[in-house]
Amino acid sequence: EVQLVESGGGLVKPEGSLRLSCAASEFTLTDAWMNWVRQAPGKGLEWVGRIKSKTDGGTTDYAAPVKGRFTISRDDPKNTLYLQMNSLETEDTAVYYCTRDPRYCGGGSCHRYFDYWGQGTLVTVSS
Amino acid sequence: DIQMTQSPSSLSASVGDRVTITCRASQSISSYLNWYQQKPGKAPKLLIYAASSLQSGVPSRFSGSGSGTDFTLTISSPQPEDFATYYCQQSYDIPYTFGQGTKLEIK
Repeated sequence: EVQLVESGGGLVKPEGSLRLSCAASEFTLTDAWMNWVRQAPGKGLEWVGRIKSKTDGGTTDYAAPVKGRFTISRDDPKNTLYLQMNSLETEDTAVYYCTRDPRYCGGGSCHRYFDYWGQGTLVTVSS
Repeated sequence: DIQMTQSPSSLSASVGDRVTITCRASQSISSYLNWYQQKPGKAPKLLIYAASSLQSGVPSRFSGSGSGTDFTLTISSPQPEDFATYYCQQSYDIPYTFGQGTKLEIK
């Protein structure tokens, strides 16, 4: 069965850095579009960014609050997704989830959605 | 950015009541709308994609409808395990955006 397992969360000071990992099993990360979604304590879901599959160019997109500070990448041999977070702010405190973003085509259009999610890893930014 | 607004923010219902949650987009998103369920301390779970397609393994009491700017998630006869928070999400354009959530509580 498809599994996503995040790790790397923890307590970090403002302006510090942290790298989150998301290990995938039962599918090949290179062939998938993958996203990071976060949830601040007691709040709703917020999209952070995505990386396209290698065949679709492997390009990345980011939400405005993290653009220029966060970087999404993959290690293909390890089948692992990363989120490098720099210049962290207290507002970045959240549970971070990695999600798979498959494509469904039907009725003349193609749709994307998040079908598998990891269990989440908590990042706390505090002095 | 496309704003997604859910209503109500919270809802009390009894087991077996019909429940409807609404999601409105700030611009037309065709049928690029997904619904997720989240229980406390757990990751969200996909229920409905492309506005009305039921994800594999999701009970048929869940259904979705709508297109353009107005969408609905219906639970025909909620069971105890359905009391959770529900989110809509648009996949029409980047940045993907979510509704603020609707908490379904047991009456």
